[in-house]
Amino acid sequence: RKEVEQDPGPFNVPEGATVAFNCTYSNSASQSFFWYRQDCRKEPKLLMSVYSSGNEDGRFTAQLNRASQYISLLIRDSKLSDSATYLCVVSASNDYKLSFGAGTTVTVRA
Amino acid sequence: GAGVSQSPSNKVTEKGKDVELRCDPISGHTALYWYRQSLGQGLEFLIYFQGNSAPDKSGLPSDRFSAERTGGSVSTLTIQRTQQEDSAVYLCASSLVLAIKETQYFGPGTRLLVL
Repeated sequence: RKEVEQDPGPFNVPEGATVAFNCTYSNSASQSFFWYRQDCRKEPKLLMSVYSSGNEDGRFTAQLNRASQYISLLIRDSKLSDSATYLCVVSASNDYKLSFGAGTTVTVRA
Repeated sequence: GAGVSQSPSNKVTEKGKDVELRCDPISGHTALYWYRQSLGQGLEFLIYFQGNSAPDKSGLPSDRFSAERTGGSVSTLTIQRTQQEDSAVYLCASSLVLAIKETQYFGPGTRLLVL
């Protein structure tokens, strides 16, 4: 079983729509959670960290559900520039390595 | 300021040859990480350095892979006797310190193709 699993998508949405997707993680000892964004043939870049109480950063909202071991990302009022692959990333408390999901592809159309 | 740089950006090699990939972290970053990303796969952690030390080499896929870091800065990842399954994008990242919640900044990667 993969450590981090994501729905690969693609999610095709019109501009202005809301899109949300989850990822699940298998290691109950995971303590740190992140969403990274990766544009086509580019390097991953940190989008936001995910905190236990959930957090917002502009149009992006991240939630963590420890009991069910999943993380979600919601994008409101989506823009064309939001088109990318979103990588779910977790790290265990005693481990410096990051475990990446394979990514969820979002395409925002005009 | 300058980000993480990697060279070469692309490398095509023949099966059985050795290759060396280079990573220049952000100046002042003490922690450095290597990952690889195969087509359609998530990033796979390979190894991390705190300064020049790599305490955990268990992520390296085989003994054909080795990595070193000298002077607390530049790192090289060497793959000996390359195989076709080594074809992937090799990504390097650095962070200011080695800490779980510390943001890792990625370089553009080296695309390796083994024929």
